This record gives sequence, C-alpha cells and structure tokens, in this order.
Amino acid sequence: QKEVEQNSGPLSVPEGAIASLNCTYSDRGSQSFFWYRQYSGKSPELIMFIYSNGDKEDGRFTAQLNKASQYVSLLIRDSQPSDSATYLCADYGQNFVFGPGTRLSVLP
Amino acid sequence: DADVTQTPRNRITKTGKRIMLECSQTKGHDRMYWYRQDPGLGLRLIYYSFDVKDINKGEISDGYSVSRQAQAKFSLSLESAIPNQTALYFCATSDLGLAGLETQYFGPGTRLLVL
Repeated sequence: QKEVEQNSGPLSVPEGAIASLNCTYSDRGSQSFFWYRQYSGKSPELIMFIYSNGDKEDGRFTAQLNKASQYVSLLIRDSQPSDSATYLCADYGQNFVFGPGTRLSVLP
Repeated sequence: DADVTQTPRNRITKTGKRIMLECSQTKGHDRMYWYRQDPGLGLRLIYYSFDVKDINKGEISDGYSVSRQAQAKFSLSLESAIPNQTALYFCATSDLGLAGLETQYFGPGTRLLVL
C-alpha cells in the first residue's frame, strides 16, 4: 500500500522567510504529486501539482520533485501570516494518497 | 453558491444509530469521493465513484456504505455508528483538468461525533 510521509510540525518561520515543507513517498513508480493547503476547520484547497523531476514555480510557491530520492517539497517564499495552515502532500496514482500534513506557523 | 455542498455540517449521534451524510455538486464532474480526516492521519479514502453505475471501496470502507443517486449526488451511510467513526468527513469531486491530471475539489466537510 502506498504511503506518504510528512513531518507533522509545527514548522515555525518568521514573516518574510522561506518555508520549506517536505514529503516522502513509498511507491517508486509514482509520477504525480499535489500540494494542498488546509486552514483550520476548512477543506483542503489545491496549491499546485508537479509530475516532472525538478522545480515548478507558481507565484511565491515552488514545488520540487526528486524521483530518485522519492522526495517532494514545497517552498513558500516571503512567507506571510496568512500562509499559516496545514499543508498536505498527495501522491496521485489510481487515487490520491494523502500524507498527514505539516502544520506551518508564520510568525509576524 | 458553493460548487460542492455537504449536509449536515455538524452531527452528533449515538452508538448504533444509522446516519447518512449527503454530498451534492454543481460542477458537472463524474468522479466523486468520500474521505475521513482524523488528527495526525491525514485524509483517508472511504469510497469513490467514477460514474452513477460505478462504486469502489477505498482504503477504509468497513462500516460504511454509499449511494450514487445521480451524477450530482453521492451519499455516505454509517449503518451502525461507533465512536471511532468520530471524524471530519469530506466529499470531493474531480475532473481531468490541469494538464490531463485529475484535480480534486473538496466540500466544506461534515464534523461527526458518535457518543
């Protein structure tokens, strides 16, 4: 069974810093990964996806995929207090397999 | 109006009771999903449906059943609720949007407490 692992956190960063969120996955054949943001008590919302090795940038967010190391990361530049949330990594194959999420706290 | 709605938003029930959680969508998507979320465990898939005639078990289907009444409606039932089914339940729909990849859209969630 596929597994996706994330450090539960909380990860605390000061406002304006770069937040780095990491995810590892068990299935070497996995191709596509999604990052979701979930505010407390709310539903997950899609941030971005990645399916090629390397980096993918979207605004302040950069997703990185390293298939050899089975590692996915999300970088948030110029972190803002509004970025404080739980970030879910998901492995997409036949279905989505979600990690437990990392709680990020951006301190003013 | 929200594209994916769930009713009820909150529910308290007693052990042994049968309850139904409902999900409706106006996005026109064929694929619908039910997940539960527990602290520290992330989202786990209960059931999913790729169209009205297609129902599939997910990772944790025991103790649950579903009904796909129409393309827009997907209901989750707990036949005899037990306390460890206390969780936050999410419905999701999806399409093959971004670069041909399946993109999921979540409802607001139903918070269920089983006493």
